[in-house]
Amino acid sequence: DIQMTQSPSILSASVGDRVTITCRASQSISVWLAWYQQKPGKAPKLLIYKASNLESGVPSRFSGSGSGTEFSLTITGLQPDDFATYYCQQYNGRAYTFGQGTKLEIK
Amino acid sequence: QVQLVQSGAEVKKPGASMKVTCKTSGYNFYSYAIHWVRQAPGQGLEWMGWINAGNGNTKYSQKYQDRVTITRNTSATTAYLELSSLRSEDTAVYFCASGSAPTGGYSDYWGQGTLITVSS
Repeated sequence: DIQMTQSPSILSASVGDRVTITCRASQSISVWLAWYQQKPGKAPKLLIYKASNLESGVPSRFSGSGSGTEFSLTITGLQPDDFATYYCQQYNGRAYTFGQGTKLEIK
Repeated sequence: QVQLVQSGAEVKKPGASMKVTCKTSGYNFYSYAIHWVRQAPGQGLEWMGWINAGNGNTKYSQKYQDRVTITRNTSATTAYLELSSLRSEDTAVYFCASGSAPTGGYSDYWGQGTLITVSS
């Protein structure tokens, strides 16, 4: 199975900051990558699909980039509502896998 | 609007089986997959498998291949997750999610989650 490695595992930041989360695939997945946001006790919410496409209704401060094995999620101008856990997921091939998650904390 | 509503929390004995229901509405059920994802307490997300709601074809994670069955009832626009031979490590919240394509894709709409507790 394709392994997804996210970094960092924990990220401390302040409101207004620009932050980037990285996701690396163990083999090429082209652009078949999604990013989700999850808050405690809630279902994940789709943010980005096909590496860089913003899901409808998601604020434009979220952006995604990358292809092949290296991907990133950037939040420009952090808002209080953005402090949550973020997961990448590859959906290429036989089995789909998630990264281990990045918890975005208030500094 | 698109909705996925899951069955309620359950407690199961080790060795038993579980079945979680995912009732969908608000979209063309037959044209998309349904994924199942689980999350153990304090842990990350783990994909278990998907079903093509149109033709019933399935794809499972190798980790669960021997214990999991995903089915659907097209007339009820409902999908089901069955997991057998439960052990304590299967205690988790189980989510269903609609796929962006008939054969998987990303997960755009999610159910609220169902907590399954495995305990003697």
